[in-house]
Amino acid sequence: AQSVTQLGSHVSVSEGALVLLRCNYSSSVPPYLFWYVQYPNQGLQLLLKYTTGATLVKGINGFEAEFKKSETSFHLTKPSAHMSDAAEYFCAVTDTGGFKTIFGAGTRLFVKA
Amino acid sequence: GAGVSQSPSNKVTEKGKDVELRCDPISGHTALYWYRQRLGQGLEFLIYFQGNSAPDKSGLPSDRFSAERTGESVSTLTIQRTQQEDSAVYLCASSRSSGRGGEQFFGPGTRLTVL
Repeated sequence: AQSVTQLGSHVSVSEGALVLLRCNYSSSVPPYLFWYVQYPNQGLQLLLKYTTGATLVKGINGFEAEFKKSETSFHLTKPSAHMSDAAEYFCAVTDTGGFKTIFGAGTRLFVKA
Repeated sequence: GAGVSQSPSNKVTEKGKDVELRCDPISGHTALYWYRQRLGQGLEFLIYFQGNSAPDKSGLPSDRFSAERTGESVSTLTIQRTQQEDSAVYLCASSRSSGRGGEQFFGPGTRLTVL
């Protein structure tokens, strides 16, 4: 069965600092990987996704993630944090059999002024 | 344009009662998902509908949970004989794509509290 592990339920960074949110997955087939973001009092929205092709994927709001097959990782980064980035971030992988999506437990990002 | 809508936004019920949650997907989206999000936890897959295919019910936690979808429109999630551990936010999402790389568009959720 596929699974997703997000390291760190809470991450705190200073404004302007690098953001790194970690995600590792397990999959027996090439995975489709996603990052979703949930801003306070809003629904989840897609940040970026990897399906095939280029392993470095760029998303909205300056975020990007790199698919590393050898490390089974899909870490999310942003060079410089902004206060508006404070939210909960979820990593997800689609199921091999079809379309079931497995989500990680989420990482809440805090940005300090 | 209209997004995914869910109703009610909040539901408080007594243990043992049945509840019905509704999801209106984005028009034209063939795929529909239900998830459960317990406080402080990630999303737990419940069920997936794709067009007229048989739904993937593999995530339903017990036979007290059931869901239906009328064609490619409204879906209802029913929880019978609710228990306190059913308290959670129930999220619905729809997707245009029939492939597994499709973006899911989420509704605002229904917060269920079982007393």
